[in-house]
Amino acid sequence: TQLLEQSPQFLSIQEGENLTVYCNSSSVFSSLQWYRQEPGEGPVLLVTVVTGGEVKKLKRLTFQFGDARKDSSLHITAAQPGDTGLYLCAGGTSGTYKYIFGTGTRLKVLA
Amino acid sequence: DAGVIQSPRHEVTEMGQEVTLRCKPISGHDYLFWYRQTMMRGLELLIYFNNNVPIDDSGMPEDRFSAKMPNASFSTLKIQPSEPRDSAVYFCASSLVLGRAFFGQGTRLTVV
Repeated sequence: TQLLEQSPQFLSIQEGENLTVYCNSSSVFSSLQWYRQEPGEGPVLLVTVVTGGEVKKLKRLTFQFGDARKDSSLHITAAQPGDTGLYLCAGGTSGTYKYIFGTGTRLKVLA
Repeated sequence: DAGVIQSPRHEVTEMGQEVTLRCKPISGHDYLFWYRQTMMRGLELLIYFNNNVPIDDSGMPEDRFSAKMPNASFSTLKIQPSEPRDSAVYFCASSLVLGRAFFGQGTRLTVV
């Protein structure tokens, strides 16, 4: 069974601080996605990474796929209250549309 | 585009009753997914369809759960009979290309 563990589970920080969220697995994935989910809404796709070692940036968010394609990280610079939400990673397997979601990191950024 | 539309947004039902959740995918998307989200188990894929045909239903927890997609613009997830442990938020998502899924707002189901 493929599992994606995220850490930390919960994170509460002050506006302006930096943070990193991790997504780890013992399985190799062909692609790795990050989503943000706000209360009462469905997850919204932020980014997809497909190559080992790949780094993508989305404004203040930096995403990295591990060299072995088993792990990923999300780094947020100068966090803002609008970054508050549940961050989910999801691993995809080649040849299938099936994505396995991680356990989630609930982030709260205080003004 | 209105996005993926789910109904109802909230459903409260008594144990043993039949529950039907509905989903209208984004027009033109040929993949449709049903997920369940709980605090304990996170977001789990139940079943997905391609061109209205079920491709993988290995995530459907029990025979009490069934899903249909009679046409490209409509899908249902049915639970019969419902149990308190089925309480969760159920999401429908649709996709046109690999890895680009759009989620609906979900249906919060409470079985008492």
